[in-house]
Amino acid sequence: DIQMTQSPSSLSASVGDTVTITCRASQGIDDYLAWYQQEPGKVPKLLIYGASTLQSGVPSRFSGSGSGTDFTLTISSLQPEDVATYFCQKYNNDPLTFGGGTKVEIK
Amino acid sequence: QVQLVESGGGVVQPGRSQRLACAASGFTFSGHAMHWVRQAPGKGLEWVAVIWSDGSNKLYADSVKGRFTISRDNSKNTLYLQMTSLRVEDTAVYYCARGLGYNNGYILAYWGQGTLVTVSS
Repeated sequence: DIQMTQSPSSLSASVGDTVTITCRASQGIDDYLAWYQQEPGKVPKLLIYGASTLQSGVPSRFSGSGSGTDFTLTISSLQPEDVATYFCQKYNNDPLTFGGGTKVEIK
Repeated sequence: QVQLVESGGGVVQPGRSQRLACAASGFTFSGHAMHWVRQAPGKGLEWVAVIWSDGSNKLYADSVKGRFTISRDNSKNTLYLQMTSLRVEDTAVYYCARGLGYNNGYILAYWGQGTLVTVSS
């Protein structure tokens, strides 16, 4: 099975900073990659799919890139409401595998 | 709007069984594949199972294969997860989820609020 590895596992940044989270697949998955945001105590929310397509209603400060095995989620100007854990997920085939998550905090 | 409401969680002893349900509304339930995803306390997300829109195909994570059964009743707009031989490590919040669209069933765009299953003696 394909493994998904996220880094870092946690980060702390200031409001207005640009934040980058990386997700690596153990085998190529083309662009079958989604990103989810889970705020503390809340349900996961789809942010990006197809590696770079923003889900409807998601602020434009979120962006995704990559293809094959290496992917990136970027938050261009971190806001207090972005405090959350972010997960990548591959969906080219089963099993659907999630990365371990990246916890984002405000410095 | 799409609404998914899970039920059936609670405390169960190791080795026993439990059935979860997910009531769906706001969309044509029979037209969409449905998933169960779980999250152990303080941990990440783990996909559990998927069932095709007509129930013709079911796929499972290795960790639950042979113990859990996903099913659906399209006449009742309800998804189920029958869990048997439960283990302590099955303790988690269980979410039901729906794909983004008919051709994007593996992109989990809609989630229920989750139901907590605690396996403990």
